[in-house]
Parts: sequence; C-alpha cells; structure tokens
Amino acid sequence: DGGITQSPKYLFRKEGQNVTLSCEQNLNHDAMYWYRQDPGQGLRLIYYSQIVNDFQKGDIAEGYSVSREKKESFPLTVTSAQKNPTAFYLCASSAGATNTEAFFGQGTRLTVV
Amino acid sequence: KQEVTQIPAALSVPEGENLVLNCSFTDSAIYNLQWFRQDPGKGLTSLLLIQSSQREQTSGRLNASLDKSSGRSTLYIAASQPGDSATYLCAVPGRFGAGTRLTVKP
Repeated sequence: DGGITQSPKYLFRKEGQNVTLSCEQNLNHDAMYWYRQDPGQGLRLIYYSQIVNDFQKGDIAEGYSVSREKKESFPLTVTSAQKNPTAFYLCASSAGATNTEAFFGQGTRLTVV
Repeated sequence: KQEVTQIPAALSVPEGENLVLNCSFTDSAIYNLQWFRQDPGKGLTSLLLIQSSQREQTSGRLNASLDKSSGRSTLYIAASQPGDSATYLCAVPGRFGAGTRLTVKP
C-alpha cells in the first residue's frame, strides 16, 4: 500500500561520523521534506525538494545535506558539522509544494553516543 | 517570517467532553492549513486539510475552522475519548506549531 517509509527507526552515531537517513515514497509525490523535532518543540524544516534534482535549504540546513536523484527518494545526511544532531527526524511528501496535503513517515530517532 | 502558535500547550479533560484546540498564525497569506495528530515516538497523521478558500472541514468527530483574516484556526473534537489522547499540531506550508498535548481521562 502507498506511503512514506523511513529507515532505520533508530540510529546511533559516534561523534565525528556522517550518517544517512533514508526516506522513500510510493505516492508519486513531487515534493519531499525533512524536518527535525526536539522534545517539546514544533517541527523545524531542514531541507525541501519540489522536483527531482532540485532542493532548497529550510530554516536549519547547516550541518545537513540532501540529494534528490529519484522522485521516490530523498535521503538526508547528518554530517559531523551538525553540532547537536540528537533528535527525531521526520520525512514528508506532498503532491505539490503549497496547496496539497502533506503525509509523513514514522520518523528516525538519531542519538549521538 | 511566519510564526505558528498553539494554545494551550497541554489539556486534560474527562471522557465525553467537547473541546477546542487553538492555532494562530502571523501571516494570513497562506495556501492551506493542516491539522495533524502525533502519538508518542511516532510520525504525524494528517487529520484535516483546509484550503485557503475554505472556512471549515469536518471528519467524523473532528471539525476544523479557518479564519484567514484573523490568523486563526480551531480544531473542535466532539465527545472526546481516551483514544484521542495525543499531541495535535497545526501547520501552514513549511511551518508548524509546537502542538497541544491532549489527555482524555476515562
């Protein structure tokens, strides 16, 4: 059935390492998004992509990188430059960038050890 | 810069009560507003989407209204149940409120 799949569910990273979070959708959506959620706070936009091979920085892009080589996939790399990466990461997609409904994956919890 | 605020931050009610969650936004030039539900440690589940040209949307016991001119939306939950306990978030494209954590006591 259609939806958004994030993997892994839990991820542990040593300081200084880069890690990549996976996000795949089979909804044929053009737009995809990455958000970060910290305890007691709302979601903050990291990166978004409105079309294949194009993406834009959100509010907190520093220390993160993305790619959009395929319509279905929008992986997020948390680099060693991100000083406080421990958080809950959520991926979303929508048919268009503005006036359509957004759907979310189940999230990846990243912990720095 | 668009800011989204949700009041109250937390709410506890007995089962069966009708309740209202509030959401306000600073820039009325929005395409739509969406209400989500989030269970602990889970992703977000879409509840209702209101387009900018609409005034309200209904789904079962849920009713969401939108007043662009005043920068406000409300989510009305009728006859609340313990299974409604969750955090409810409102969002305009790219911008989320911090949520209202709802507890419905049996």
